Amino acid sequence: ETGVTQSPTHLIKTRGQQVTLRCSSQSGHNTVSWYQQALGQGPQFIFQYYREEENGRGNFPPRFSGLQFPNYSSELNVNALELDDSALYLCASSLAAGTDTQYFGPGTRLTVL
Amino acid sequence: GIQVEQSPPDLILQEGANSTLRCNFSDSVNNLQWFHQNPWGQLINLFYIPSGTKQNGRLSATTVATERYSLLYISSSQTTDSGVYFCAVVPSGTYKYIFGTGTRLKVLA
Repeated sequence: ETGVTQSPTHLIKTRGQQVTLRCSSQSGHNTVSWYQQALGQGPQFIFQYYREEENGRGNFPPRFSGLQFPNYSSELNVNALELDDSALYLCASSLAAGTDTQYFGPGTRLTVL
Repeated sequence: GIQVEQSPPDLILQEGANSTLRCNFSDSVNNLQWFHQNPWGQLINLFYIPSGTKQNGRLSATTVATERYSLLYISSSQTTDSGVYFCAVVPSGTYKYIFGTGTRLKVLA
C-alpha cells in the first residue's frame, strides 16, 4: 500500500505566475483535501474533492482551483501568484469525505518572490 | 465558525517526563484527529478519535465530545517527540477539517 505523495517538493515562482501542484492519494482512497500552511501557523483548508467533484471549500479566492482525476489523484492550481501564497501546501487523502482518517503527504514548499 | 484552541501553546520537557496536551472546540464535531508535525513539515497521524479513549504505545488520547474537548497524553517523552502537535476537527454538517492552534513541544536530552 503506497502512501500519499506530492510533487514537486520545492518550488520557486515570481509574483503573477501560475503554479500546479500534484498529489497522488493513498491506494483505495477516493477523497483528497488540500491545505495551505503558512510559516508558524496551522494548516488552512483550501478545498476537498470526492470522486472528481469539489464538495467543500475554505476561504480562498477563485484563483485557487483544483481537479481530481479518475484515479483519484489531484492537482492544485494557483493563478496570479502573490507573495502571501508562499507556504507549505499539503495534500491529504481518506476513504470517505469528513468521516474517516486523513493521511497527509510530505507537502510542497512554495516560495513566491 | 468553530474555534479550536490548544493548550499549552509551548511546552519544554526533560526526556522521560510525561505531559498532557488539550484541545478545546466550540461546537459539535463529527470527527477529530491528532497529528504530530515533524521538523520537516510532515504531518503524522496519531489518532482518529471522535470519541472515547485510545492508546498506542507511549501515547494515548481521550475525547469527550459532549464536553467539547480532547486530551493527548505523552508518557516517558523522548527527544523524537519534539515538534508541533495539532488537533483537527470536522464540524458537524461539513466535510472540512479545521486545525487547532497547535502545541509546540521540545524534549530536552
